[in-house]
Amino acid sequence: GEDVEQSLFLSVREGDSSVINCTYTDSSSTYLYWYKQEPGAGLQLLTYIFSNMDMKQDQRLTVLLNKKDKHLSLRIADTQTGDSAIYFCAVANTNAGKSTFGDGTTLTVKP
Amino acid sequence: DAGITQSPRHKVTETGTPVTLRCHQTENHRYMYWYRQDPGHGLRLIHYSYGVKDTDKGEVSDGYSVSRSKTEDFLLTLESATSSQTSVYFCAISVSNLTGELFFGEGSRLTVL
Repeated sequence: GEDVEQSLFLSVREGDSSVINCTYTDSSSTYLYWYKQEPGAGLQLLTYIFSNMDMKQDQRLTVLLNKKDKHLSLRIADTQTGDSAIYFCAVANTNAGKSTFGDGTTLTVKP
Repeated sequence: DAGITQSPRHKVTETGTPVTLRCHQTENHRYMYWYRQDPGHGLRLIHYSYGVKDTDKGEVSDGYSVSRSKTEDFLLTLESATSSQTSVYFCAISVSNLTGELFFGEGSRLTVL
């Protein structure tokens, strides 16, 4: 089945950019997502990208997709302490929501 | 906005007892999911539903059953809880036919002693 991998931890200084990386195995993955989880809460969608796109920008967030390498990244510009959370990469090959998730990257933002 | 209520939010039980977790949505979304979250494993799909009485297994379905008798309710049952089922359980609904994005509940923390 599909396998999604992420590095587990990332630490940055406030004001720096953060880049969280994800790789996946299924080349038919059509829908790719980034979710954020704050302590004690459920996941919330941050942004998504379709497989026919290379890049998507949404305010401080930039998503890059390299289909050839099956690599997805999330860049957060001007990272703030409120961005500290766990970030999950997820992929799906249908719009029915049956997504496969990575293990999550814990982002720590230091003042 | 979609709303999901999970109950109970916290439960401690003993090995061998049955446990039912409930997920209630306030809208009529077709697809509903149960995931479990464990350290080092991310989120793993247990079961999902694509309509009333229509359910299917996910990657970690052993030891779990589900039922969906109404659009708004999706129940997850552990017939005989084991310590390996200690976890945080999340219900989710698919809220967009365009993107397939998921909207999650707040989670139910289950401890099996």
